[in-house]
Amino acid sequence: SQQGEEDPQALSIQEGENATMNCSYKTSINNLQWYRQNSGRGLVHLILIRSNEREKHSGRLRVTLDTSKKSSSLLITASRAADTASYFCATDRGGGSYIPTFGRGTSLIVHP
Amino acid sequence: NAGVTQTPKFQVLKTGQSMTLQCAQDMNHNSMYWYRQDPGMGLRLIYYSASEGTTDKGEVPNGYNVSRLNKREFSLRLESAAPSQTSVYFCASSGVRGANVLTFGAGSRLTVL
Repeated sequence: SQQGEEDPQALSIQEGENATMNCSYKTSINNLQWYRQNSGRGLVHLILIRSNEREKHSGRLRVTLDTSKKSSSLLITASRAADTASYFCATDRGGGSYIPTFGRGTSLIVHP
Repeated sequence: NAGVTQTPKFQVLKTGQSMTLQCAQDMNHNSMYWYRQDPGMGLRLIYYSASEGTTDKGEVPNGYNVSRLNKREFSLRLESAAPSQTSVYFCASSGVRGANVLTFGAGSRLTVL
């Protein structure tokens, strides 16, 4: 069964706006990762946040993690048309397990 | 630096036929994975290999076999293909203990008629 679930399933915004997508998961984790997938391509790693971290930044990306709520959010600021892609969160199952399990993803469309 | 290379990119099979998907990585990674991606289902883990010489089942292993040929190569075999195995298959590798950041291949699109 899938550990993480993204919300919303689809998001449509205008260029320049911020995009926020969320991930909820069921069990304790060691790490949570976000990946991007452009249409017809493989997934590309964006950012990893460890269970003892609350926030990380990478360029226009901001990721937060709330382990008490078992949830994470990915914020893309000042979106560009090139950000159009599907975004997936991946979690492990904590303890000695670091195998990433993926959610169904959020499809983001950024209109120029 | 090629990263993770998968072959073939596209394949059409008839029900009952067999085939092997090949995957090779040139990053000296210890761990390798096979996922399948179906519409609306995200990625599901088929098999993984934590290190050379070991393989373990993932979430959806039925109908598949794998071989970790050496540290670079991890192949996925369908012995008797079924229409339910129509999917896009992704190979990935990771090299950092305690983080498992994945580098993915470009995918192999398989259609079983």
